[in-house]
Amino acid sequence: KQEVTQIPAALSVPEGENLVLNCSFTDSAIYNLQWFRQDPGKGLTSLLLIQSSQREQTSGRLNASLDKSSGRSTLYIAASQPGDSATYLCAVGNTDKLIFGTGTRLQVFP
Amino acid sequence: GAGVSQSPSNKVTEKGKDVELRCDPISGHTALYWYRQSLGQGLEFLIYFQGNSAPDKSGLPSDRFSAERTGGSVSTLTIQRTQQEDSAVYLCASSPRTMNSGANVLTFGAGSRLTVL
Repeated sequence: KQEVTQIPAALSVPEGENLVLNCSFTDSAIYNLQWFRQDPGKGLTSLLLIQSSQREQTSGRLNASLDKSSGRSTLYIAASQPGDSATYLCAVGNTDKLIFGTGTRLQVFP
Repeated sequence: GAGVSQSPSNKVTEKGKDVELRCDPISGHTALYWYRQSLGQGLEFLIYFQGNSAPDKSGLPSDRFSAERTGGSVSTLTIQRTQQEDSAVYLCASSPRTMNSGANVLTFGAGSRLTVL
C-alpha cells in the first residue's frame, strides 16, 4: 500500500529565505508526482507535476525534483514571500488515483 | 465550465439525515475523483469515475456512502444516515485523461464542508 509522508509538518520562516519541503513515498511504481498548495478554506491549486520519467520541473520561484528509485521528492521555494504562506501537499499518482501526504503548513512572516 | 464547481459549499445537518453533495467537473474531463479531508488530516481518496463507471470504489468508508455520475459529467456523492464522524470537507477533482498517462493534472473544486450535529 502506497504511503506518502511529508516533513516537516509545519515551518515558519522569515521573508526572503530559500526553503525545502520534503516528500517521501513507499512504492516507486508511480505515474507522476504532483505538488499542490491549499489556502485556508479553499480547494487545492496544482503547482507542479513531474512525470515518472522526469527528474524535475520548474515554475517561477518553485522547483520540484523527483528521485523515484529512492522514493523522494523535494519542493524548493526560492526567496520566500508572505504570500507563499499555505499548506503544501505532495501527491503521487499510483494506479488510478492520487495518494496524498498530510502536508507541510508554511508560514512566511515579513 | 471554467472550473470544477461543488455545491453546497456548506451543509449543516442533523445526525441520521441523508445528504447529497454535487460536483460539476470541467467540461470534457472524463475522469472525476472524490476525496475527503477531515480536520487536520490529509486527503482521503473515496471514489474515482472514468466516464460514468466507477472502476475504483475502494475508498468509500461504509455502505452509507454512494456516488454516481451521469452523462459523463455531473457527479453526486450521497451519504445516508449521517454520523458525526462524517463531518469533513468533501473535495471533487476532474482531469482530462487517466492517471497512467503520466501527465494527468487534477483540477480541484473548492469543496463542500459538511457538519453533522
